[in-house]
Amino acid sequence: GAGVSQSPSNKVTEKGKDVELRCDPISGHTALYWYRQSLGQGLEFLIYFQGNSAPDKSGLPSDRFSAERTGGSVSTLTIQRTQQEDSAVYLCASSSPGTGAYEQYFGPGTRLTVT
Amino acid sequence: QKEVEQDPGPLSVPEGAIVSLNCTYSNSAFQYFMWYRQYSRKGPELLMYTYSSGNKEDGRFTAQVDKSSKYISLFIRDSQPSDSATYLCAMSGTGSARQLTFGSGTQLTVLP
Repeated sequence: GAGVSQSPSNKVTEKGKDVELRCDPISGHTALYWYRQSLGQGLEFLIYFQGNSAPDKSGLPSDRFSAERTGGSVSTLTIQRTQQEDSAVYLCASSSPGTGAYEQYFGPGTRLTVT
Repeated sequence: QKEVEQDPGPLSVPEGAIVSLNCTYSNSAFQYFMWYRQYSRKGPELLMYTYSSGNKEDGRFTAQVDKSSKYISLFIRDSQPSDSATYLCAMSGTGSARQLTFGSGTQLTVLP
């Protein structure tokens, strides 16, 4: 079946502009995660959605970052007034209700470059 | 100090070699230990997970967890050029903390 998809695959933006990154999780997966991977770094947790519960936003680095998940499926990560340090690969993952957080399936990521 | 430390490498071995990848951690609440493989410009894919201490084997891959030492390992036997990738260790606790905490990854190259 289809895996996690993300769009766009690459995004180049100017400093100060807003960007929206999209994630389509695997059908039936109720949990959705956003991570950020900077060059040479491991994945940094950003935000977690589980069903209709309030999201866990504890990893968002600043109030310029926000995310929403509509209809329990598609999610959008928005970065306002982008800065050069926001340049990274943004990865989305989902997991099913029957497994723990350990079995996360990742999308290919969106490579964001802020010039 | 990071919660999870991983030697970034890069590590280069000849085909057929046994590869040992390792991570240490500081958070004693971690109960699930995972290894992900990430090819260039792709998302990570789950290789194996282990709950608590012990060993787990899957084909050429063996994962070991030593909670007393806060040390985990992944062994790859008979390494192949197709194993060339970045290997990321990841950990999580139980309960409401659902996000994974990752090491920085070890870049492995298996030379034919």
